[in-house]
Amino acid sequence: SQTIHQWPATLVQPVGSPLSLECTVEGTSNPNLYWYRQAAGRGLQLLFYSVGIGQISSEVPQNLSASRPQDRQFILSSKKLLLSDSGFYLCAWSRGTAGNTIYFGEGSWLTVV
Amino acid sequence: SQQGEEDPQALSIQEGENATMNCSYKTSINNLQWYRQNSGRGLVHLILIRSNEREKHSGRLRVTLDTSKKSSSLLITASRAADTASYFCATGNQGGSEKLVFGKGTKLTVNP
Repeated sequence: SQTIHQWPATLVQPVGSPLSLECTVEGTSNPNLYWYRQAAGRGLQLLFYSVGIGQISSEVPQNLSASRPQDRQFILSSKKLLLSDSGFYLCAWSRGTAGNTIYFGEGSWLTVV
Repeated sequence: SQQGEEDPQALSIQEGENATMNCSYKTSINNLQWYRQNSGRGLVHLILIRSNEREKHSGRLRVTLDTSKKSSSLLITASRAADTASYFCATGNQGGSEKLVFGKGTKLTVNP
């Protein structure tokens, strides 16, 4: 069966510090990968998605970047965090067909102080 | 934007009652999906309905889709306290995009 792991689960970082959130998927190959952000009490905002190694699409201009160094690894990064980067970050995957079900990780709480 | 928008934003009912949540969207879709999120957790897929389907059932869940009105509804029958969660609709468009776009969700509280 397929599983998705993301870490760390919680993170408190000072403004201006770097960020690295990691996500891995097991039990499938060539998945589509996604990073979403959910601000408190808000819906999900798609940040990045990837259909293959090294292929990253950015949905919104922001202080964050994403990379896919391996087929089942997706990394969300920032060089200098802003207060507005605080939120709940969710990694997700789907099979490589448009409109398929998305499977989410458990999320990472980021608080920038 | 094809973003789905759920209505109401919040819903509070008693155990045993039915809960109905609605979703409206703006552009043509390939399918519409409903997800559930317990507080502070990841989202879990509930049900997918394709654009050529009008109704779908899964256990106590019933989803309808009206493409002429660009709307969908999620009905949870005989609700339980454990159904307390936020529910989101997500749309996949006909352009073949790999993306799903989520609404802001309906927060459902089922009181015991």
